[in-house]
Amino acid sequence: NAGVTQTPKFQVLKTGQSMTLQCAQDMNHNSMYWYRQDPGMGLRLIYYSASEGTTDKGEVPNGYNVSRLNKREFSLRLESAAPSQTSVYFCASSEIAWQGAYEQYFGPGTRLTVT
Amino acid sequence: AQRVTQPEKLLSVFKGAPVELKCNYSYSGSPELFWYVQYSRQRLQLLLRHISRESIKGFTADLNKGETSFHLKKPFAQEEDSAMYYCALLGGGSGGSNYKLTFGKGTLLTVNP
Repeated sequence: NAGVTQTPKFQVLKTGQSMTLQCAQDMNHNSMYWYRQDPGMGLRLIYYSASEGTTDKGEVPNGYNVSRLNKREFSLRLESAAPSQTSVYFCASSEIAWQGAYEQYFGPGTRLTVT
Repeated sequence: AQRVTQPEKLLSVFKGAPVELKCNYSYSGSPELFWYVQYSRQRLQLLLRHISRESIKGFTADLNKGETSFHLKKPFAQEEDSAMYYCALLGGGSGGSNYKLTFGKGTLLTVNP
């Protein structure tokens, strides 16, 4: 049971390049999330998917697109990378459980540098 | 709009001293609050949730609706408590669904020997 996995772990891009960050979970969760973590800014939600087939914008969606490929996988795409997108990206998943049992499970993160 | 405020970016204490990490929230509904922790080079993980009224690794947090606070406390800090701590509020998903977390900006706790 690997939980939430992310690939790649590290990536360096040049301005204008594109790439896709991959996320998968094996806990049969309905909901999945993409966050970015920046010093002094905490965790900010980029996009989320409440269930397979739906996606919604979070707090900072500009410059990103997402695809909920199936229940297990949720990818984040940068179409034209910018230096402002240099960050650590975390994927998470959760299930809507009875009150008191809610928890988001996080992946190990992808450290992205855009030069 | 819901909001979580952690007023301290950095907090440094000595081993054995009490520690309190502050968290204030703004939310129109009935709040469900959490503390997440991120140890160096590790993924974020849930530390505790207010609704469980639990104590994890010696940490406790009490929800004070009057002061809209959910401060994290530990009477005697240990060096292994050094980490980034995030307060989080559940709520605000689309269509009124209740599965989105709003995180504070985090407090980096350093426990010195």
